[in-house]
Amino acid sequence: EAAVTQSPRNKVAVTGGKVTLSCNQTNNHNNMYWYRQDTGHGLRLIHYSYGAGSTEKGDIPDGYKASRPSQENFSLILELATPSQTSVYFCASGDGDNYEQYFGPGTRLTVL
Amino acid sequence: GDSVTQTEGPVTLSEGTSLTVNCSYETKQYPTLFWYVQYPGEGPQLLFKVPKANEKGSNRGFEATYNKEATSFHLQKASVQESDSAVYYCALRPSSNTNKVVFGTGTRLQVLP
Repeated sequence: EAAVTQSPRNKVAVTGGKVTLSCNQTNNHNNMYWYRQDTGHGLRLIHYSYGAGSTEKGDIPDGYKASRPSQENFSLILELATPSQTSVYFCASGDGDNYEQYFGPGTRLTVL
Repeated sequence: GDSVTQTEGPVTLSEGTSLTVNCSYETKQYPTLFWYVQYPGEGPQLLFKVPKANEKGSNRGFEATYNKEATSFHLQKASVQESDSAVYYCALRPSSNTNKVVFGTGTRLQVLP
């Protein structure tokens, strides 16, 4: 059974609209991450969290917010979506001791 | 800052031939190094990690040695299979003081039957 799930798997949004991407993990990991994946850039860290109630800025946080209401859930929020945010987004959870990250299946977001 | 540079793809090989994907890293700290693999339609998954300099990691026939002097962590496989077709990411965790991981840009491998 998948330990990191993401919803929706595909999303089409309009420019200026609000988009929320959701992530749920059953690994009981403290750390969670949001990445975007683009050709030529690989995986780039947007926001991450050390536990419920905490969020930290990653390397490319502009235009994104994050929310960690519980150990299991971590959301990525685009308040005013732009076409440049068209990408594939991956959520991951991580064990701070083991350093391995476990990724979800990804969400393909298209902003028109 | 911390960074990873790896072979640009795509790399196309025939089944049974050998693979090398180059990876170089920059950091002033004491990193743990990783190789992740991403199959089509899936998220990345850990192939293996090496936390200590001059040690080797391996899994599924792939291997890489953490070369601290050369700041390299090249991925190798002696004989690739069509099922190895995927994107391979080199990555580093700069130190034990952070839970962030820096990924390379990825190398797409296509293995022809």
